[in-house]
Amino acid sequence: EVQVVESGGGLVKPGRSLRLSCIGSGFSFGEHAMTWFRRAPEKGLEWVALIRSNIYGGTTEYAASVKDRFTISRDDSKSIAYLQMDSLKIEDTAVYYCSRKSGSSYEYTPFDSWGQGTLVTVSS
Amino acid sequence: SYVLTQSPSVSVAPGETATITCGGDNIGRKSVHWYQQKPGQGPVGVIYFDRDRPTGIPERVSGSNSVNTATLTISRVEAGDEADYYCQVWDSTSDLPVLGGGTKLTV
Repeated sequence: EVQVVESGGGLVKPGRSLRLSCIGSGFSFGEHAMTWFRRAPEKGLEWVALIRSNIYGGTTEYAASVKDRFTISRDDSKSIAYLQMDSLKIEDTAVYYCSRKSGSSYEYTPFDSWGQGTLVTVSS
Repeated sequence: SYVLTQSPSVSVAPGETATITCGGDNIGRKSVHWYQQKPGQGPVGVIYFDRDRPTGIPERVSGSNSVNTATLTISRVEAGDEADYYCQVWDSTSDLPVLGGGTKLTV
C-alpha cells in the first residue's frame, strides 16, 4: 500500500525554525516527485514546495509565500522528504501535508497519495 | 500565473445532484484533477485527468472539462460527501501546480 506519513510539527515562536519529515512506503520513493501543501485555519489548500526525482536532477520549486525561507530536500536512501522552515511567521500556521506526485517529475499528473498532515503553530 | 476559480460553497439535499465548477482560461486544454478533503483528514483524489475515477471512488462521482469550465458532479449525494473539493491543474508556463480556492459542499 502506498503511504506517506508526516511528522515534526509543533509550536514554535516567530522567527524560529522547524523541520518537517515525510516518510514514504509501498512505492519506489526515488522515482517520484514529492510535494508539500498546507492549509491554514479558515483558508483553502495551498501548494508550498516540490522536489523532483533525482532522475530529473532533484530540482526544487517554491510558492512565492515561502521562497527563500523554506527548503525542500529528499533522502532517497531513507525514503524521506524534508521541509526545512526558517524565519517562520505567524501566517505560516497551518496543517502541512506531504503528497506523492504520480508519474514522472515533468508529467502533468495528479497527486495520488497524501498524508494526514502535521500541525505547525507559529505563535509567541 | 494561471488562476482557477471555484465557488466558495454549494449546498444540496441528500439524494440530489451536486455540481461543483472550476473556471480557468482555456481550462478545456488542460487536464484537471479533483481532490476531496474532509475535516481532520488529508485530501483524497476523486477525479484525475478530467474524468477518470481512482480506485475506490464510486461511479456517482464524475467529471467533465470543456472550454473555460471543468465540472465535478456528484449524483445521489450522501451525508458522507460533505467535504471541501479542490480542482488542480499544472501551469504549463511554470511547470507548477495550481489549485482552485476550494468549494465547501454542504449536504
